[in-house]
Amino acid sequence: DTEVTQTPKHLVMGMTNKKSLKCEQHMGHRAMYWYKQKAKKPPELMFVYSYEKLSINESVPSRFSPECPNSSLLNLHLHALQPEDSALYLCASSQDRGETGVTGNTIYFGEGSWLTVV
Amino acid sequence: EDKVVQSPLSLVVHEGDTVTLNCSYEVTNFRSLLWYKQEKKAPTFLFMLTSSGIEKKSGRLSSILDKKELFSILNITATQTGDSAVYLCAVHDRGSTLGRLYFGRGTQLTVWP
Repeated sequence: DTEVTQTPKHLVMGMTNKKSLKCEQHMGHRAMYWYKQKAKKPPELMFVYSYEKLSINESVPSRFSPECPNSSLLNLHLHALQPEDSALYLCASSQDRGETGVTGNTIYFGEGSWLTVV
Repeated sequence: EDKVVQSPLSLVVHEGDTVTLNCSYEVTNFRSLLWYKQEKKAPTFLFMLTSSGIEKKSGRLSSILDKKELFSILNITATQTGDSAVYLCAVHDRGSTLGRLYFGRGTQLTVWP
């Protein structure tokens, strides 16, 4: 099973709303990621969690707030977003075996959450 | 400056044709190269390549890596309309314990019936 599950699949929110995107994996992966993808562009890394700790924040504005409640779950809390934040938000996970785990490098993506900010 | 460059950016072929997609990269500490297929949703994993010269194959798709020349190709034989998608190449850099995944801009493949 190589499944990463994201909810909701579609979200429309106003600029004053507070909402959350959720991601779940049961592959025992210890690294989880949030990517943002705009139309006709490749995914851009936002955050990386490793062993439930935030290890990479790619200078993402504070209106995006990630949370990793446990090793299977990853949330992205959204507040006071702008219309230009509308995009496909992808969650991904990998085993994160470090230097010795070559086969653990594969990163699996969820189906994404389409976000529209109005 | 892009670390991963894919070519061509778009390609239109007819069913039955064979296509070759290219990916060249420049990262300091190469760990692996991954190919993904993306239709109108999330990228779907195709291959991960870590060693030069070893072809990975899955049905009509195959891929190979050349770590000396820093590139990879993805071949699709006997293309079908269902192969129409954006094909993304990504390179995993072992620059940190976790490493970063650098994506190319993708090749948009359109297969006409």
